[in-house]
Amino acid sequence: AQRVTQPEKLLSVFKGAPVELKCNYSYSGSPELFWYVQYSRQRLQLLLRHISRESIKGFTADLNKGETSFHLKKPFAQEEDSAMYYCALSSNNNDMRFGAGTRLTVKP
Amino acid sequence: DAGVIQSPRHEVTEMGQEVTLRCKPISGHDYLFWYRQTMMRGLELLIYFNNNVPIDDSGMPEDRFSAKMPNASFSTLKIQPSEPRDSAVYFCASSFAGTTGNTIYFGEGSWLTVV
Repeated sequence: AQRVTQPEKLLSVFKGAPVELKCNYSYSGSPELFWYVQYSRQRLQLLLRHISRESIKGFTADLNKGETSFHLKKPFAQEEDSAMYYCALSSNNNDMRFGAGTRLTVKP
Repeated sequence: DAGVIQSPRHEVTEMGQEVTLRCKPISGHDYLFWYRQTMMRGLELLIYFNNNVPIDDSGMPEDRFSAKMPNASFSTLKIQPSEPRDSAVYFCASSFAGTTGNTIYFGEGSWLTVV
């Protein structure tokens, strides 16, 4: 069975500092990895997915199959990045399982 | 499309009462998911459907929980009898397997408080 692990429940950085939200996964097949974000009082929404290899709002994430990781990074955090971030894995069965989430706080 | 629609948005009920949460997925989507969000456990997958058929309900906590999808545009999650530990935000989400990357779209959630 697939599993997604986000080791940090809370992460706090200062504005302008780099930020990295960690995500590790376990899955025997070929996974599809995603990052979802939940801003205060809003619904969860897709931030980015590994197959697109895109940068959204300055965030990037690279799938490292050797380390089974999909860490989310941003070189210069902004206060509006404060939110709950969830790493997710979709298996060959098209399900979607999430990690426990990391609450990011960007301080001024 | 208005997106995934959930009701009620908020519910406060007494322990032992039956709770029914409702979801209308995005039109044309063939997958529907029910999640529970808590501070302790994050976002847990309870059950998901494909073409109205339950595929995996291993995340349903116990027999007090049940979910149905009678047609492509409606699903319910029922808790009977409810307990205080069921207090959480319940999210419904839907997706279309034909899209690249299988992005799922969430509703705004149903905030359940059992007292």
